[in-house]
Amino acid sequence: DTEVTQTPKHLVMGMTNKKSLKCEQHMGHRAMYWYKQKAKKPPELMFVYSYEKLSINESVPSRFSPECPNSSLLNLHLHALQPEDSALYLCASSQDRDRVRDEKLFFGSGTQLSVL
Amino acid sequence: SQQGEEDPQALSIQEGENATMNCSYKTSINNLQWYRQNSGRGLVHLILIRSNEREKHSGRLRVTLDTSKKSSSLLITASRAADTASYFCATDVGVWDFGNEKLTFGTGTRLTIIP
Repeated sequence: DTEVTQTPKHLVMGMTNKKSLKCEQHMGHRAMYWYKQKAKKPPELMFVYSYEKLSINESVPSRFSPECPNSSLLNLHLHALQPEDSALYLCASSQDRDRVRDEKLFFGSGTQLSVL
Repeated sequence: SQQGEEDPQALSIQEGENATMNCSYKTSINNLQWYRQNSGRGLVHLILIRSNEREKHSGRLRVTLDTSKKSSSLLITASRAADTASYFCATDVGVWDFGNEKLTFGTGTRLTIIP
């Protein structure tokens, strides 16, 4: 299994809603990432988890709250978002070989989020 | 600011022709990677070249890296309609420590192959 699975594929939410994006991988990868991509722009790093611990937060607003319940799952909890947060949210993972990184990222298909 | 700037922003060629896209970056890197993205969905890793390598091949892909000029190029030979996608370079400038690397993507090249 070389897949990173993201759900849902599409999400429409109001500014007062609370929703969650989910990401799952069963490749034994121990680093997981959230990226945000606006239309016709490159992906931008939001968060990195390493061994279920948050290792990088790229100064993301607190209305985005990541969670890594176990080594296979990564969530992104959304609350009080703004219309400018509408974007494609991509999850990725990378492999660990005895804590020596393999730099290649495996991406999910993304969640297309629209905030109304 | 973007670490990687890609050139051209868009490229249209006939099927069977070769496609070349370039990436320039600003700081020293550990490695440079190329990814493909179809229709705004997930990215797929194509090839990685390390800072001490100058050229790498994978199938119809050829990547070069010139660290003195801080630039890389991706050549796709004998293009096919299925190669139509956006192509991004990505630079790894992070601390050499698992889980703390930052992969920063360039601006991308939109490639269209005309059948």
